[in-house]
Amino acid sequence: GQNIDQPTEMTATEGAIVQINCTYQTSGFNGLFWYQQHAGEAPTFLSYNVLDGLEEKGRFSSFLSRSKGYSYLLLKELQMKDSASYLCAVTGSGGSYIPTFGRGTSLIVHP
Amino acid sequence: DAGITQSPRHKVTETGTPVTLRCHQTENHRYMYWYRQDPGHGLRLIHYSYGVKDTDKGEVSDGYSVSRSKTEDFLLTLESATSSQTSVYFCATSTGDSNQPQHFGDGTRLSIL
Repeated sequence: GQNIDQPTEMTATEGAIVQINCTYQTSGFNGLFWYQQHAGEAPTFLSYNVLDGLEEKGRFSSFLSRSKGYSYLLLKELQMKDSASYLCAVTGSGGSYIPTFGRGTSLIVHP
Repeated sequence: DAGITQSPRHKVTETGTPVTLRCHQTENHRYMYWYRQDPGHGLRLIHYSYGVKDTDKGEVSDGYSVSRSKTEDFLLTLESATSSQTSVYFCATSTGDSNQPQHFGDGTRLSIL
């Protein structure tokens, strides 16, 4: 089975940097996805990590440590529109890459 | 995006009635999924399909059935709806490759009174 843990809620100030953590315990691991979901909307893909290290995409970066079962999403130069839920999803090994989602972290950005 | 259409977008019905939700995709993705999303629980997988007529259960499949008679369409049926099935339902698709993300429909808000 898979157990994925994220903080329930975080708050931050416009222009700041925020780090959203995700820890996982899995029977097998293939890769980790981050999605963004605005209230009342569908989740949309942000990033994918399969190897250890940092993947950077503009203001968003995602880090993975496979040995520690740990990932984080780093959001820089926060904007009001970054207020959303951020979902961590892990895919297992074994040929069937069905992801398991964490419960999501609700990020509130204040002016 | 992956061109995923869910119908209906909103539905209110009564306990004990059958309900069918439809997901239609235009991207020829092999995998299709049904999730429910509830406060405090995140996205939970109900059923998924890995091809026409090939389906499997997810973690919360009790009370739900699915069918996939065409690549484009994946139906979710609640045979006899209960109030505990009030939720937002999302359909998703993917190619099935390990490094490819899921693409989600806009969701169906289902209320069972």
